[in-house]
Amino acid sequence: NAGVTQTPKFQVLKTGQSMTLQCAQDMNHEYMSWYRQDPGMGLRLIHYSVGAGITDQGEVPNGYNVSRSTTEDFPLRLLSAAPSQTSVYFCASSYSHARRARGGTQYFGPGTRLTVL
Amino acid sequence: AQKVTQAQTEISVVEKEDVTLDCVYETRDTTYYLFWYKQPPSGELVFLIRRNSFDEQNEISGRYSWNFQKSTSSFNFTITASQVVDSAVYFCALSRGETSGSRLTFGEGTQLTVNP
Repeated sequence: NAGVTQTPKFQVLKTGQSMTLQCAQDMNHEYMSWYRQDPGMGLRLIHYSVGAGITDQGEVPNGYNVSRSTTEDFPLRLLSAAPSQTSVYFCASSYSHARRARGGTQYFGPGTRLTVL
Repeated sequence: AQKVTQAQTEISVVEKEDVTLDCVYETRDTTYYLFWYKQPPSGELVFLIRRNSFDEQNEISGRYSWNFQKSTSSFNFTITASQVVDSAVYFCALSRGETSGSRLTFGEGTQLTVNP
C-alpha cells in the first residue's frame, strides 16, 4: 500500500491564481480530511468527507473547495490564492468509526508546502 | 467546542533523561478519542497512539508511555531514556466519537529537542 499520497510536494503561486492539491489513498478508508499547518498553530481542519459524494466544512474553509467523487481521491481547490494561504497542507484518511477499533485513527500524507506571493 | 492545550512550547533535555509532555483537553462529549502524533524534522506526521474516553488504562510501548486521567482531562506522554532520534514536534489531538467524520482538534505542539 502507498498509503496517503499528495501532489505536488512544493508549489509557488502568485496572488489570484488557482490550483488543485491532489490527495489519494489506497486503504479503502471512508473518511478523508484536509488540514493546514501554520507555525505555532498546530493543524487546523479545512474540509472533510465521510464518503464519496459527501463533504463538509471544517474550522477554516474560506477560500477552499473540495469534492469527493470516488473513495480514493479528495482534491483541494484554491479558488483565488492569497498570501494568507501560504502554509503546509496535509491530507489524511481513516476508517469510519463503524469499524470499531480500527476506526477514526487518521493517517497523514507527506504534505504540500504552498507559498503564495 | 473542543480544545487541546499543550502548555509546553519547547522542551530541551539531555540524552537518557526522562521527559513528559503535557496535554490537557476540553470537551462536552462523553465519548471521544485522544491521539498523539510525532512530527520529525522531515515533516511527516506519524501516529503514535489512540485512546478512547472509556479506557483509562495507561499504556506502555517500549520507551513511550501514556497517562490518561479523565478526572483532570489530561493525556500526558512520557519518553523514558530519551534519545536524539526522539527530537521532533509532538502533537496531542482530540476527536469526537461516533459522529460524522473523524475531525481532529490539535494542540499547538511541543518541540522536543534531545541533545547528545
